[in-house]
Amino acid sequence: DAGITQSPRHKVTETGTPVTLRCHQTENHRYMYWYRQDPGHGLRLIHYSYGVKDTDKGEVSDGYSVSRSKTEDFLLTLESATSSQTSVYFCAIRTTDRAGSPLHFGNGTRLTVT
Amino acid sequence: DQQVKQNSPSLSVQEGRISILNCDYTNSMFDYFLWYKKYPAEGPTFLISISSIKDKNEDGRFTVFLNKSAKHLSLHIVPSQPGDSAVYFCAASERGGGADGLTFGKGTHLIIQP
Repeated sequence: DAGITQSPRHKVTETGTPVTLRCHQTENHRYMYWYRQDPGHGLRLIHYSYGVKDTDKGEVSDGYSVSRSKTEDFLLTLESATSSQTSVYFCAIRTTDRAGSPLHFGNGTRLTVT
Repeated sequence: DQQVKQNSPSLSVQEGRISILNCDYTNSMFDYFLWYKKYPAEGPTFLISISSIKDKNEDGRFTVFLNKSAKHLSLHIVPSQPGDSAVYFCAASERGGGADGLTFGKGTHLIIQP
């Protein structure tokens, strides 16, 4: 268990509303990631963080912002949700700096934008 | 353009037989390759990895083979068990450490038939 908690687990929201998803880790790992999973697309990287206040864009960052004010929390915000952002969102952490080390994932947040 | 390809959306194998899941990649800079297993309503869990300097890595019933010249890897599961029924994702990274994220394929749904 990598000690990752995602909240909420499920959310339904309306188009145009802001939404924030939270990822919390119980240990002070430096690297955190947000992915989305969609049928026919696998998992795609949205944003990642390499330390407090240090973040960068991934493959599908448009329409998303992130913040990391504490080591243990990584927030993903949809400023104005759209139906195309209906997806399952996974947070991940990397627990070592060793080359080839895997990412460890949380159990996801299922977001539906109506 | 998809850099990691899993061309079989699904695979059905009889219990006790060998399951072979395939993955192709296009990015010559990839140096580390990983396989993840995912059950419904859970996050992906890391199974096994291989670096580009090796052509085989084994862990219990799971073996990953890498053919770098063909840009192809495969995951062998022997013998297949009912609990192996899941979606399997192939993933790759260039440096494999630090902030480096993973690039995922679309996944293959493995179904183990009793």
